[in-house]
Parts: sequence; C-alpha cells; structure tokens
Amino acid sequence: LAKTTQPISMDSYEGQEVNITCSHNNIATNDYITWYQQFPSQGPRFIIQGYKTKVTNEVASLFIPADRKSSTLSLPRVSLSDTAVYYCLVGDSGAGSYQLTFGKGTKLSVIP
Amino acid sequence: KAGVTQTPRYLIKTRGQQVTLSCSPISGHRSVSWYQQTPGQGLQFLFEYFSETQRNKGNFPGRFSGRQFSNSRSEMNVSTLELGDSALYLCASSPAYGSPAYEQYFGPGTRLTVT
Repeated sequence: LAKTTQPISMDSYEGQEVNITCSHNNIATNDYITWYQQFPSQGPRFIIQGYKTKVTNEVASLFIPADRKSSTLSLPRVSLSDTAVYYCLVGDSGAGSYQLTFGKGTKLSVIP
Repeated sequence: KAGVTQTPRYLIKTRGQQVTLSCSPISGHRSVSWYQQTPGQGLQFLFEYFSETQRNKGNFPGRFSGRQFSNSRSEMNVSTLELGDSALYLCASSPAYGSPAYEQYFGPGTRLTVT
C-alpha cells in the first residue's frame, strides 16, 4: 500500500513562504498528487493537483521531482487565515483495488 | 451551484444501535466517496460509489455499508455501533472517479457520537 509521510506540524510567521513536503514512495505511474486544506469542523478543500514538475495556481505552487516520490506544497506569503491542516493525497492501487490515501496531515500555525 | 450537503450534521447514538447518514453531491457529480475522520487515525477512506455501484472500498468492517441512488445521492449505514465509531463522517463528490484527476468537493460532515 502506498504511504504518505508529512511533518506533523509547522510554524511560520505571517508574510513568509511555507513549504510542506510529502513523501510517497510507492506512487503509481498514473496517479496524481493532490493537496487539500482543512479548517476545524469543516471538510477538506482542494488546493492544487499535479502529476510532474511544477504546477501553480492563485493560492499555491506544487513541485514534483522527476522520480515523483515526493512533492512540495509551497504557500507564498502566508497569513493568519492559512492556519489549517494540509493533507497530501495520492491514489493507492497496490492492493489490487484503487483507493485514496490521505496523509496524516501537517498542522500549519501562522504566527503574527 | 450548491455544494455538497450532509444530513444530519450532528448525531448521538447508543452502542449497539445503527445509524444512516445522507449525502447529496454537487449537481452533475456522479461519484460520492465517504471518509471517517478521527483524531487518532486521521482521514480514512470508507468507500466510493459511482453510477449506483460501489467502485472502491477501504479497510473497514462489514458493519459499514453504503449505497447510491439514481440521482447520485448516497447514504452510508453503520450497524451495531461501537464507541470507536464516534467520528466526523465526511462525504465528497466528484464528476468522475479514479486516477488521474481526482478533485473532490467535501461536505461539512456529520459528527457522530456513540455513547
């Protein structure tokens, strides 16, 4: 089964760039990597998705090296409202059926 | 466009009882997935339905079951509730299922407390 590993928590000051790395050693050839953000008592919210190299949207960038065994979510100039848990998501087809595996999540705390 | 809705939002049940949770996906979305979220285990995949058929299933006991109706609405059922079933149950909808693109839209969840 594919496993994802993320740091449990991170702290950052407002205005700084934050990079959160996720390891996914057994990612399947056709799987995409997706990141979600979750605030307390809410469902996760899609942030960004990529397959390889770099993807950028209005809120984040996603860097994926050539071997695809890891990915890094980059949040530019974070604010207090970015305090949340961030999840890395990859598919998992190792057990013969396809299912999604969320990482344990990284709790980001933005400090004023 | 309305988001994913889940009912009820909060529920308290007693051990041994059963419970049914409901999820209405975003209009036009045909895939519905269910997740269990607990502080200790995080977000765990329960199952996914597409076109009224269960397509994928996570590692949960048979007490957890679900179904999807022709209008894509989905229900999940937990029988013989245990204290450990207390969790936030999240429903997510998607226009399609499976790799490569898997953007899901989550509902607010149903908070189930088993006493």
